[in-house]
Amino acid sequence: DTGVSQDPRHKITKRGQNVTFRCDPISEHNRLYWYRQTLGQGPEFLTYFQNEAQLEKSRLLSDRFSAERPKGSFSTLEIQRTEQGDSAMYLCASSLPPGGAGGPDEQFFGPGTRLTVL
Amino acid sequence: GQNIDQPTEMTATEGAIVQINCTYQTSGFNGLFWYQQHAGEAPTFLSYNVLDGLEEKGRFSSFLSRSKGYSYLLLKELQMKDSASYLCAVRDNTGGFKTIFGAGTRLFVKA
Repeated sequence: DTGVSQDPRHKITKRGQNVTFRCDPISEHNRLYWYRQTLGQGPEFLTYFQNEAQLEKSRLLSDRFSAERPKGSFSTLEIQRTEQGDSAMYLCASSLPPGGAGGPDEQFFGPGTRLTVL
Repeated sequence: GQNIDQPTEMTATEGAIVQINCTYQTSGFNGLFWYQQHAGEAPTFLSYNVLDGLEEKGRFSSFLSRSKGYSYLLLKELQMKDSASYLCAVRDNTGGFKTIFGAGTRLFVKA
């Protein structure tokens, strides 16, 4: 296992279409995160999972966005009825949980899926 | 709510030292991270602080003051390959353990 992988790397779609992205985390990592990043900005938190449980979802996320991690391994992020404002890089990251003393749970990022909505 | 502030851009000379500052406001602070992101690539982990003080890792050091809501990343002996964005991120345990990223500081290293 060489790292976090994401598929596809690029997606071009028309406004109103649905898209689905896949993330395969590092195998022993039980935490998985989704972020959205636009040019000149840092990653914006969308949601995260611990195993198969979705523990938090950003209040900024509309109901058009949904994520799943059915078996606690890979995850999918679906965007329904895409809008031009959804155009961004969608990053997935995985980590182990923090250590007992709140130690680092550094996140390992995948290469991202670049979405362009026309 | 949460807020993270860092300078938008900095320029420094190869071989020099540069300090990138970060201030944050969060209700449930549970650690601060620095990540490096080269253009067109994913962020990679640089450092982590949860207690006050300085953490040194080779040419990179990171400092934290929780009472001031302040951190800095110090890069020594700058190399051209250090030209990248540096992201300050705070782990917040309010309702979970999400990580909030700042907008990043773009560092340009010139010869």
